[in-house]
Amino acid sequence: NAGVTQTPKFQVLKTGQSMTLQCAQDMNHEYMSWYRQDPGMGLRLIHYSVGAGITDQGEVPNGYNVSRSTTEDFPLRLLSAAPSQTSVYFCASSLQGSHSPLHFGNGTRLTVT
Amino acid sequence: SQQGEEDPQALSIQEGENATMNCSYKTSINNLQWYRQNSGRGLVHLILIRSNEREKHSGRLRVTLDTSKKSSSLLITASRAADTASYFCATDALESGGGADGLTFGKGTHLIIQP
Repeated sequence: NAGVTQTPKFQVLKTGQSMTLQCAQDMNHEYMSWYRQDPGMGLRLIHYSVGAGITDQGEVPNGYNVSRSTTEDFPLRLLSAAPSQTSVYFCASSLQGSHSPLHFGNGTRLTVT
Repeated sequence: SQQGEEDPQALSIQEGENATMNCSYKTSINNLQWYRQNSGRGLVHLILIRSNEREKHSGRLRVTLDTSKKSSSLLITASRAADTASYFCATDALESGGGADGLTFGKGTHLIIQP
């Protein structure tokens, strides 16, 4: 099993550009989520989904969009990149949300100049 | 908002020694989880301990939970160079929308094992 796969691993954007971070899991998990990790801040939840067609906002959703058309995929879209969105982004999935262990991808390191 | 806070922020010990990391949190929880993160990689789940459990073991790892003090500890025995990583505690708040609201992570303890 591949687990949780994120692409790309690295990305550099200019302010105002848009892009999509891809996340796919092959564990048939209903729950998927996106976190960002910043130095000294720990991980913060951006958006999450409890199943196909259902998404909701986390702690820091502004500037990001998500959709969940299939159980396997949960892409994160940056609408108009800002330097404050420079971060490492992690996708995670689980069987029962926070009631069970999260499985993380290896992250996307994004720099916005 | 940060729920868990790990202590210490950084820890350096000799290989073979035991490493203890602590986590304090603020609100009532369903469970508390510990994760490891190697440099440049994603987080890896280590142990989940439920609010009605006091201690849990997994190999060289021992986790304790004291809900009256809202604290947890992670003990790594007989440390190895490969244990060098950052360790995070994460809490599943009691009012977590059935688990949908996700985990709240602390800032982590950076552990260095000196060979």
